[in-house]
Amino acid sequence: DTGVSQNPRHKITKRGQNVTFRCDPISEHNRLYWYRQTLGQGPEFLTYFQNEAQLEKSRLLSDRFSAERPKGSFSTLEIQRTEQGDSAMYLCASSSSGGPDTQYFGPGTRLTVL
Amino acid sequence: AQSVTQPDIHITVSEGASLELRCNYSYGATPYLFWYVQSPGQGLQLLLKYFSGDTLVQGIKGFEAEFKRSQSSFNLRKPSVHWSDAAEYFCAVASGGSYIPTFGRGTSLIVHP
Repeated sequence: DTGVSQNPRHKITKRGQNVTFRCDPISEHNRLYWYRQTLGQGPEFLTYFQNEAQLEKSRLLSDRFSAERPKGSFSTLEIQRTEQGDSAMYLCASSSSGGPDTQYFGPGTRLTVL
Repeated sequence: AQSVTQPDIHITVSEGASLELRCNYSYGATPYLFWYVQSPGQGLQLLLKYFSGDTLVQGIKGFEAEFKRSQSSFNLRKPSVHWSDAAEYFCAVASGGSYIPTFGRGTSLIVHP
């Protein structure tokens, strides 16, 4: 299967801890997106990359959130000093162009902050 | 700013019945419109999309949607629902520039045997 993969699938952490999620996009895709999805809501855009460049990060929820895509391949999303309100599903998607192309989503990482 | 409204939080239909899920968007110019489906434990899967041209769009799994500019709507339809269609359905709109979609809150489809 050469779809978008995300690891881990589930993460349980204690409040105040740092967590990092990984996303591996479809190999030929140069755009990579991060979303957050809370219960009963649609995905909420956080940030995206074109190759290794982060083109939009103003929608990251706070300065505790950061993302990287150092070599233009996989990406990581880090949340520092987690809070209970960070509990959500974090989704990654990739697409092959900068136009209105189809985004392919991974299965998500479910974060629970105790 | 673009926005999407899915007015129905839950829809219940009997297997074999027809289905229509409503989606209204707010955006000044011609939007790019999408319908995604999300099954439990699965990622979002694209059902269909509208960028331009014929306003009646055919998608996968027997779904179709019609873009109506005058009503700012992009409703999803299926003539005969199968039990496996039970899932969460999301409408999304994107605009020129970054083309980043804004999603609606979703409609949960329940299928009765």
